[in-house]
Amino acid sequence: GESVGLHLPTLSVQEGDNSIINCAYSNSASDYFIWYKQESGKGPQFIIDIRSNMDKRQGQRVTVLLNKTVKHLSLQIAATQPGDSAVYFCAENSDQFYFGTGTSLTVIP
Amino acid sequence: ETGVTQSPTHLIKTRGQQVTLRCSSQSGHNTVSWYQQALGQGPQFIFQYYREEENGRGNFPPRFSGLQFPNYSSELNVNALELDDSALYLCASSPGPKAEQFFGPGTRLTVL
Repeated sequence: GESVGLHLPTLSVQEGDNSIINCAYSNSASDYFIWYKQESGKGPQFIIDIRSNMDKRQGQRVTVLLNKTVKHLSLQIAATQPGDSAVYFCAENSDQFYFGTGTSLTVIP
Repeated sequence: ETGVTQSPTHLIKTRGQQVTLRCSSQSGHNTVSWYQQALGQGPQFIFQYYREEENGRGNFPPRFSGLQFPNYSSELNVNALELDDSALYLCASSPGPKAEQFFGPGTRLTVL
């Protein structure tokens, strides 16, 4: 089966600092990756995606880095805000989307 | 808001019963994927429908079945409910099978 894992189940950061959430995947055939944010009681919300022909993609305050050599994905959030507190999932796609377990991000005001 | 709606929002059933969950996809999207999310876990892929045909299935038994209608809305049916079926059921709409997915708010199913 697929294995999409996150290195840390919880992460606490001070407001204004940068956050980095990591994700490892096991299927070298995966060619599309998405980061989602899920707040309590809501469905996952799309943050940013990246295809395997890229190694970096930037959005508004977020950057996704893809290292295919070591099968590693990271999400960087700049100037973290209290509203960023949520569970973050990475998802990889080969034949279907596989989601990781999630990292809970807490922003300390 | 993603424009993806699900109904009902909450549901309580007893073991052995059957349940139907519904999802309306975002306008212009022809693909709907269904996921099961247990508490504290990531979503697990159940199956995907693309233009009214099943287009991939995860590791779920046949008592989980689905349907997609000509307007691309979808249903998830679960027969012979078990206690372990208690979870949040999410549907995701996308413009194609391997494209960005937009999730609905989910249906919380509790099996007693």
